[in-house]
Amino acid sequence: AQRVTQPEKLLSVFKGAPVELKCNYSYSGSPELFWYVQYSRQRLQLLLRHISRESIKGFTADLNKGETSFHLKKPFAQEEDSAMYYCALSGQRDSGAGSYQLTFGKGTKLSVIP
Amino acid sequence: DAGVIQSPRHEVTEMGQEVTLRCKPISGHNSLFWYRQTMMRGLELLIYFNNNVPIDDSGMPEDRFSAKMPNASFSTLKIQPSEPRDSAVYFCASSDGLRNTEAFFGQGTRLTVV
Repeated sequence: AQRVTQPEKLLSVFKGAPVELKCNYSYSGSPELFWYVQYSRQRLQLLLRHISRESIKGFTADLNKGETSFHLKKPFAQEEDSAMYYCALSGQRDSGAGSYQLTFGKGTKLSVIP
Repeated sequence: DAGVIQSPRHEVTEMGQEVTLRCKPISGHNSLFWYRQTMMRGLELLIYFNNNVPIDDSGMPEDRFSAKMPNASFSTLKIQPSEPRDSAVYFCASSDGLRNTEAFFGQGTRLTVV
């Protein structure tokens, strides 16, 4: 079974402050992890994926297999970062099934205070 | 491509009525996911298909929920009979089925059961 845990439902930070959105996962295999973002009145969209090791809109996320974590970080929060953030894991339901189940955490609402 | 298309965008229905939600995935994608989004439970995977075949429907809450994918370009999620606790935003997403690629989401259907 695969599971994604985001312990914070709501995170409020001041503009310019550092941001860290926590994500922990449970998966028996080697995980593929993602962060998705949903801005107000918009559809969910991919923010970044761990395999790309990229920084998008100033956000980065590092996979820590020892701690089974994939926390999302940004050094200086901007007002336009206010959104709902979802951590997601792609894994096989059954070994060799050939299809991948995409499981999301419950999400964290980030509010950046001007 | 216009992306994942869902209809209707909004649905208000009375308790006990049948509700059908529709989804057109991105052409060429072979994986399709149905999610339900609520404040309390976040983004829950209801069911996903691979090559039109249901792979995992363990997230479907009750027998009142059913989903079909008669061909590669169309899927439905049906609730019969509907209940007030089914009120949520229902999202459809599609991907090319590879493990580390992006899932593309539709705009969602906001369902209100009164």
